[in-house]
Amino acid sequence: GAGVSQSPSNKVTEKGKDVELRCDPISGHTALYWYRQSLGQGLEFLIYFQGNSAPDKSGLPSDRFSAERTGGSVSTLTIQRTQQEDSAVYLCASSSYRGPAFFGQGTRLTVV
Amino acid sequence: TQLLEQSPQFLSIQEGENLTVYCNSSSVFSSLQWYRQEPGEGPVLLVTVVTGGEVKKLKRLTFQFGDARKDSSLHITAAQPGDTGLYLCAGEGLQGGKLIFGQGTELSVKP
Repeated sequence: GAGVSQSPSNKVTEKGKDVELRCDPISGHTALYWYRQSLGQGLEFLIYFQGNSAPDKSGLPSDRFSAERTGGSVSTLTIQRTQQEDSAVYLCASSSYRGPAFFGQGTRLTVV
Repeated sequence: TQLLEQSPQFLSIQEGENLTVYCNSSSVFSSLQWYRQEPGEGPVLLVTVVTGGEVKKLKRLTFQFGDARKDSSLHITAAQPGDTGLYLCAGEGLQGGKLIFGQGTELSVKP
């Protein structure tokens, strides 16, 4: 596609439920990032995929968070047993190797 | 671990004023990028600087990469309300290509 696409754009879930957030990167981009952004804050790094290398998971806040990237393209961020503090905007970005990042519009997650 | 420190974190100014945002690190970066984010949107790339000492201009915005490629600045001349937003710098590490983001500078320009 023309840009990075994220779905859903908004998600409201009950505390304790699992959620899956999807990211479709720009075709051909080898790198994919997930970030979390709370209201009025900067970007909190979560995970980085680069080609076939092992992902950099150093930013995942707990073992309730996981992400995978299938076939080097689409990525899914899964949050298990959601908590209220997980409420935030989750941003996905993709880039070519050593290129600038292009961001999606984000998924606004609200845990009630 | 490579870190980027942005300052100031918040900036509220009147239309027509000038401002500078700083992005500093103790590490060398292959390149440095500046992004702007408006409410409800993802960050959008403004510029990439690659060469130490490089200066790039984008209308009223001037970006500079430090000689040692460890720091950068963004200067806005005669700020306008449309410049309001979150400004983020991001450095590309020397190895692996992973982008490291600063914490951001929230700019508010009042008419």
